[in-house]
Amino acid sequence: ETGVTQSPTHLIKTRGQQVTLRCSSQSGHNTVSWYQQALGQGPQFIFQYYREEENGRGNFPPRFSGLQFPNYSSELNVNALELDDSALYLCASSLTGEGEKLFFGSGTQLSVL
Amino acid sequence: AQTVTQSQPEMSVQEAETVTLSCTYDTSESDYYLFWYKQPPSRQMILVIRQEAYKQQNATENRFSVNFQKAAKSFSLKISDSQLGDAAMYFCAYNSGGSNYKLTFGKGTLLTVNP
Repeated sequence: ETGVTQSPTHLIKTRGQQVTLRCSSQSGHNTVSWYQQALGQGPQFIFQYYREEENGRGNFPPRFSGLQFPNYSSELNVNALELDDSALYLCASSLTGEGEKLFFGSGTQLSVL
Repeated sequence: AQTVTQSQPEMSVQEAETVTLSCTYDTSESDYYLFWYKQPPSRQMILVIRQEAYKQQNATENRFSVNFQKAAKSFSLKISDSQLGDAAMYFCAYNSGGSNYKLTFGKGTLLTVNP
């Protein structure tokens, strides 16, 4: 059984650029959620996907968008990057009906210069 | 909106001793889940322990136990026989359950274990 994997592990972008982060869910998990963890803070919920549709969103602007694919892998896209988008982005997967059992990846550290 | 507060930014403990990390939360719901997650330098969030609010019995997992006080909205984590590998950031988190998969996290407590 594979765990949650994220790529890349580190990324450097400049302000105004666009970025795509990737996540492979734990085997058999059909729900994925994304979190942003700024330095010195706890993770904040961005959104979650189930059956390729967004079904929950936190307080993040529309330039944060996502995709979930039929194999349950997922992408987080951020357009028009801002300096404050610099953070660790964590992906978590779970099974429907077991939302309290989240399994996290090791994250992508994004730096916006 | 639910909030989670961890009032101890940093804590330290001697190896083999016991330490308690504090967490309070605010919610108007009666059924929910509470968690403690550990985040080592590898950055992966690792579930330490989980408590269902409808269960009065405090959860335990080996050296880790919680003191869940529902009326006081308090959820502390006790680590017994602390080990060097316990050193990490610890986050308290809340989830309202059902189809809601959103976790609300506190700001974390950095635990140092001294040999």
